[in-house]
Amino acid sequence: EAGVVQSPRYKIIEKKQPVAFWCNPISGHNTLYWYLQNLGQGPELLIRYENEEAVDDSQLPKDRFSAERLKGVDSTLKIQPAELGDSAVYLCASSVTSGSSYEQYFGPGTRLTVT
Amino acid sequence: AQKITQTQPGMFVQEKEAVTLDCTYDTSDPSYGLFWYKQPSSGEMIFLIYQGSYDQQNATEGRYSLNFQKARKSANLVISASQLGDSAMYFCAMSAPSNTGNQFYFGTGTSLTVIP
Repeated sequence: EAGVVQSPRYKIIEKKQPVAFWCNPISGHNTLYWYLQNLGQGPELLIRYENEEAVDDSQLPKDRFSAERLKGVDSTLKIQPAELGDSAVYLCASSVTSGSSYEQYFGPGTRLTVT
Repeated sequence: AQKITQTQPGMFVQEKEAVTLDCTYDTSDPSYGLFWYKQPSSGEMIFLIYQGSYDQQNATEGRYSLNFQKARKSANLVISASQLGDSAMYFCAMSAPSNTGNQFYFGTGTSLTVIP
């Protein structure tokens, strides 16, 4: 069974440029998460999807960040325009559902560097 | 309020010895789940072990066991017979109800170094 796929693995951009990250969750997983992880910190939730519905986007900086999961499968996270402080690892995770007994499976992450 | 607390930024253990990584949590809901993840330098978060709040016995998965003390709200990870490949960041996490459904909360992590 394939795991969570993310691309690209690494991205270097100049500030004020747009950037997009893509995630394909494990087949059959209805819940998809996007996290931001700063160096030496734990992941912080940006947005959670249940199928195609964004059920928790309270931590997503909506002035510059957007996400979509149009068909309830793969998802794209976009930043426009990027700022220096956006340099971090962006992790995508999926789970069967968001029930408390279901573990999340993570992708390898996208390491973003904004110069 | 911080939901998951990991008080050990870094830990060292001799190869083949056991090590305990501490985790305390905070929730008022009776139904929750506790998880441990390993994050090697490659960056991928690897699920290790799960403990449900209603589980009577401590969870075990191979060399990993979870010391669940409900009254103290602690969920410490015990790694037995440490191996060099265990060197990594370890994150404790909790899934608990919120006003938007179950929310995952991560701690700040503990960096474990296994010494040959």
